[in-house]
Amino acid sequence: GNSVTQMEGPVTLSEEAFLTINCTYTATGYPSLFWYVQYPGEGLQLLLKATKADDKGSNKGFEATYRKETTSFHLEKGSVQVSDSAVYFCALFTGANSKLTFGKGITLSVRP
Amino acid sequence: DTEVTQTPKHLVMGMTNKKSLKCEQHMGHRAMYWYKQKAKKPPELMFVYSYEKLSINESVPSRFSPECPNSSLLNLHLHALQPEDSALYLCASSQEVSRHEQFFGPGTRLTVL
Repeated sequence: GNSVTQMEGPVTLSEEAFLTINCTYTATGYPSLFWYVQYPGEGLQLLLKATKADDKGSNKGFEATYRKETTSFHLEKGSVQVSDSAVYFCALFTGANSKLTFGKGITLSVRP
Repeated sequence: DTEVTQTPKHLVMGMTNKKSLKCEQHMGHRAMYWYKQKAKKPPELMFVYSYEKLSINESVPSRFSPECPNSSLLNLHLHALQPEDSALYLCASSQEVSRHEQFFGPGTRLTVL
């Protein structure tokens, strides 16, 4: 079956630090990959996506590259801000079961 | 309009009450979803509607009853809930079930006393 593995958290960084959040996946077929962000007290927002191998998704300074050879979709940002403090979920979708499969999520706290 | 709206934002109910959650989207999406999210956990899929018909029920207890009156509206009727049903209930929509980009609403925070 499909699964998504995210690195263990929480992660605490100082403002302007470099961010990497690891995500690897197992899937049948050719999944689409997503990063969702959930700010405190809110629903999920799609942060970025990639639908095929070697695609790079980017938004708000965040980037992730779909790596088929390593089955990974790591999230990066060059300089985090306090406003980036949130929970980040990696997810995949395949047409086989028409469902989003989420990782466990990781809490990011950025201190001034 | 690229929003999914949900009402109410917060709901407190007793175990004998009947209440409903409402979700609305005006993006012309034909697939709508209910998820349940417990604190510090990822969302868990409950139901999927495609073209106003229930297409997936993830073995959800019958005390949760979904309804899709039209392509823009999705309801979740609640009856005889248990305290462990307290959670954030998220609605989402996508163009079709096979179109993977799902847009989420802000959720309803449900507390069952």
